[in-house]
Amino acid sequence: EPEVTQTPSHQVTQMGQEVILRCVPISNHLYFYWYRQILGQKVEFLVSFYNNEISEKSEIFDDQFSVERPDGSNFTLKIRSTKLEDSAMYFCASSGTGGTYNEQFFGPGTRLTVL
Amino acid sequence: AQSVSQHNHHVILSEAASLELGCNYSYGGTVNLFWYVQYPGQHLQLLLKYFSGDPLVKGIKGFEAEFIKSKFSFNLRKPSVQWSDTAEYFCAVNARGGADGLTFGKGTHLIIQP
Repeated sequence: EPEVTQTPSHQVTQMGQEVILRCVPISNHLYFYWYRQILGQKVEFLVSFYNNEISEKSEIFDDQFSVERPDGSNFTLKIRSTKLEDSAMYFCASSGTGGTYNEQFFGPGTRLTVL
Repeated sequence: AQSVSQHNHHVILSEAASLELGCNYSYGGTVNLFWYVQYPGQHLQLLLKYFSGDPLVKGIKGFEAEFIKSKFSFNLRKPSVQWSDTAEYFCAVNARGGADGLTFGKGTHLIIQP
């Protein structure tokens, strides 16, 4: 069964450094998403991406975040200058089509630790 | 703005007990409703979903949920739980008709004692 994959599984970085989290969505999916979960808190939506542009973003997704689909398979989340509060689990998800059938499939997550 | 409330943050049950986890949502329009499960060390998996039609939906592993529009609720149920149901359960919602991001509840940590 097709799966969403994410790399790395765990990333440790120093405050102020740039990080890139990588995701490979399910191959025939059209919509891509990033979520995060700070330890002990709920899963929060960051951004959705369709047709090579951002379709929706939350208040969390400020100028330090960016997303890109550099080729036909990868979907990346870049954090330009990490802060301590960026420490969280980051989940990528993808879905096949819009309309009412957008079941989102989640990857295993990347645990980001900012020191 | 959408919001989702899950009333029980930690639930402990014995095997074979019945389960009901509450979920209420707040949203001004028509919604899609979901329950996701996260088993220890694993990623989020879809248990069941409601888009339209029969408000009683059945999912995997014997779970079901009932959409009650008048109460803005989408409670998850299972008549007889197993030890393997120990997991974190998340209720989520997004707007009908689009590919919007999901709004999640805080989750319920379910522990099933043998």
